[in-house]
Amino acid sequence: QVQLVESGGGVVQPGRSLRLSCAASGFVFSTYGMHWVRQAPGKGLEWVAHISYDGSNENYADSVKGRFTISRDNSKNTLYLQMNSLRAEDTAVYYCAKDYVTRVLVVTYFDYCGQGTLVTVSS
Amino acid sequence: ENVLTQSPATLSLSPGERATLSCRASQSVRSYLAWYQQRPGQAPRLLIYDAYNRATGIPGRFSGSGSGTDFTLTISRLEPEDSAVYYCQQRNNWGLTFGGGTKVEIK
Repeated sequence: QVQLVESGGGVVQPGRSLRLSCAASGFVFSTYGMHWVRQAPGKGLEWVAHISYDGSNENYADSVKGRFTISRDNSKNTLYLQMNSLRAEDTAVYYCAKDYVTRVLVVTYFDYCGQGTLVTVSS
Repeated sequence: ENVLTQSPATLSLSPGERATLSCRASQSVRSYLAWYQQRPGQAPRLLIYDAYNRATGIPGRFSGSGSGTDFTLTISRLEPEDSAVYYCQQRNNWGLTFGGGTKVEIK
């Protein structure tokens, strides 16, 4: 079955960087676009970024554009999120998620998420 | 920016009752609207996509309707495991936005 396991979260000071990873299994990773979605403590869901199945297209929420970079390594079935210039408002649980259909180059819905990794930005 | 407004904020109903959740968009999203369920302590999961299509494995008691700016998620007969926060979400080719959520409590 689909399994997505996020890692790399932790406590980081404002202005510093962090890289999240998401290990995928149970589906053909190279044929699905992938997302990062976050949820601040006690708050709702916020979409962060999407990368197409082949890595050719990336899209970002305005709140992270220019600071975060999504990438993937299809040979390792792994998704990444490089987060630079972190701010207190980036504190959240970060979920990786897969597209609900295969081989779509544009942003579309996601179906399964991992259990998330907590990022806390604090001095 | 297309803002999604969900109502009510909280819905408290008994098992077997019908739940009706609303999502209103500030601009038309045509039928590009999804519904997600997030149970306490769990990740969100897709229930409905493109306004009325049930995702794989979703029970038939969940149904979606609407188009343009007004959408509804109906849970026909509530079960205890339906206690969760439900989010609507719209998509365009460049991103996704979520509504603020409706919390469904089972009495």
